[in-house]
Amino acid sequence: QSALTQPRSVSGSPGQSVTISCTGTSSDVGGYNYVSWYQQHPGKAPKLMIYDVSKRPSGVPDRFSGSKSGNTASLTISGLQAEDEADYYCCSYAGSYTPLVFGTGTKVTVL
Amino acid sequence: QVQLVQSGAEVKKPGASVKVSCKASGYTFTGYYMHWVRQAPGQGLEWMGRINPNSGGTNYAQKFQGRVTMTRDTSISTAYMELSRLRSDDTAVYYCAREENYCTGDYWGQGTLVTVSS
Repeated sequence: QSALTQPRSVSGSPGQSVTISCTGTSSDVGGYNYVSWYQQHPGKAPKLMIYDVSKRPSGVPDRFSGSKSGNTASLTISGLQAEDEADYYCCSYAGSYTPLVFGTGTKVTVL
Repeated sequence: QVQLVQSGAEVKKPGASVKVSCKASGYTFTGYYMHWVRQAPGQGLEWMGRINPNSGGTNYAQKFQGRVTMTRDTSISTAYMELSRLRSDDTAVYYCAREENYCTGDYWGQGTLVTVSS
């Protein structure tokens, strides 16, 4: 199972929107509505931001939204804030034998 | 409140084995799969496998088949990940994570740094 493909980095100014893509195949992203997104600050454990493609856990700001089209999922951060600067990873269910696969990770920089 | 507390940092020599523990509290341990994920320095997240604490059943990533063993002790709500025949490129932070649903790791341990060096 290969890692899902994400852009290495994206950047935006405070208040702007950025979108991170996560491209897989019909065996993972395209085959199931089980895509999650994690935020990771340096030296910290990952934090769940989006699950089941577009659902937000309690406590996650509604500036974070998720979507999916075909084999590509996306995370959009609207109204970018300084504290959003972090690494972001997508994750997709990939079947019962290899249940999940992560994306390659994207560094979000707030200019 | 839900907590996953992992064992402390380890330094191992190449060829040795390491066993990392993850003690769960604040929920029914047998009710949720536990996953193990690692992150090498400066690298991304890598899924290693998962265990069903209720049955003990496991799924391992193909890359680690034959080298990793995941077990649990339900009497003390603790999951374990043992990696054998360690190499220098196994140097990483190892995390346990509770699975709420597919790919939904809602709680994570603090991470355990394993350093493999001669």
